[in-house]
Amino acid sequence: KQEVTQIPAALSVPEGENLVLNCSFTDSAIYNLQWFRQDPGKGLTSLLLIQSSQREQTSGRLNASLDKSSGRSTLYIAASQPGDSATYLCAVWNSGYSTLTFGKGTMLLVSP
Amino acid sequence: SQTIHQWPATLVQPVGSPLSLECTVEGTSNPNLYWYRQAAGRGLQLLFYSVGIGQISSEVPQNLSASRPQDRQFILSSKKLLLSDSGFYLCAWSGGYNQPQHFGDGTRLSIL
Repeated sequence: KQEVTQIPAALSVPEGENLVLNCSFTDSAIYNLQWFRQDPGKGLTSLLLIQSSQREQTSGRLNASLDKSSGRSTLYIAASQPGDSATYLCAVWNSGYSTLTFGKGTMLLVSP
Repeated sequence: SQTIHQWPATLVQPVGSPLSLECTVEGTSNPNLYWYRQAAGRGLQLLFYSVGIGQISSEVPQNLSASRPQDRQFILSSKKLLLSDSGFYLCAWSGGYNQPQHFGDGTRLSIL
């Protein structure tokens, strides 16, 4: 059974810092990996999707990498801003399964 | 562009009462549809998914049921709510198994 772990569970940084969020998964037989953002009391917003054949994806100040063989992904946020404060969730889609398996998220607080 | 709508945003119901949550998607056809529940400290749990009208798969045994009466409509129901049904319910859609999932804004359900 696939398990997804996100470290750290919470992170507090001053504005302007570059930061890295980590995601690991136990079963490397995945179709893709997706990063989401969730604001308090809201639904999830898709940030980036990396196919299993890709190594990384970029969108603005966000860069996500995937190392399928080691079961790891990182989300890099450059020049963090207070508006980046949210919970970030990582999810993987396994071959043989019908949907995503989610991690519990990293709660990020960026202070001005 | 595609949009997903969930309602109501919040709901307070007594134990033993029925439930009906609705989700609709616009701007696409034959989407895969999903119902998740998010409980504090437990992450997102997949409840049901559907790949077509009338096709419903359940991931976990529970007090809930789902129906898909139309291509872009997904309904989550219960005949008698339990206290343990409290939580944040999220609907999502995707264009296929290897496509990003997109989420609605969720329904906060409180059982008294």
